[in-house]
Amino acid sequence: QQQVKQSPQSLIVQKGGISIINCAYENTAFDYFPWYQQFPGKGPALLIAIRPDVSEKKEGRFTISFNKSAKQFSLHIMDSQPGDSATYFCAASLVDSSYKLIFGSGTRLLVRP
Amino acid sequence: DSGVTQTPKHLITATGQRVTLRCSPRSGDLSVYWYQQSLDQGLQFLIQYYNGEERAKGNILERFSAQQFPDLHSELNLSSLELGDSALYFCASSVAEGEQYFGPGTRLTVT
Repeated sequence: QQQVKQSPQSLIVQKGGISIINCAYENTAFDYFPWYQQFPGKGPALLIAIRPDVSEKKEGRFTISFNKSAKQFSLHIMDSQPGDSATYFCAASLVDSSYKLIFGSGTRLLVRP
Repeated sequence: DSGVTQTPKHLITATGQRVTLRCSPRSGDLSVYWYQQSLDQGLQFLIQYYNGEERAKGNILERFSAQQFPDLHSELNLSSLELGDSALYFCASSVAEGEQYFGPGTRLTVT
């Protein structure tokens, strides 16, 4: 119930291509879904986030698509660049007083030049 | 730079020892969260403080404790350390629900 399942574990994309990372959840109490980007040796950095009343959110080359009925959400990185090579984590936040984040297992993205 | 600072950056210690990790949240943020990142467990929520009060507990061992001080900085205390406690420990802070900003982390190595 508390899990967020993320796939794929790793992804290789050519420069200019579209990177797609998927996440699924079970707990319908989740009401906030952020994506984080983490480079080696650094802390996770908030990339983009969505709430379940919206089906899509776009910020620059990054888009979140949200399917509430399927309990799935995904991150699309358009025109992927070598500088996007990092580990990406989806997460979900519980509707309680803490808003603690439940993280997916991460996707290691490599964008080839 | 998220504005969250953590010290020390690296910590190497022996089994059985006790260490303290420190976190200063972004200016104005009242909430501090602690997370552990390990290869086998991923990123796991440990504990949250809001304006000095414990707000939520996650998968935090009894050997671990935390507190948040009046100036809002937080400390995570890890005692009776075991090899399996070796991990990255992150602090995050937020002012609004959900938007958590992570610090650079403390890499703990227990030998």
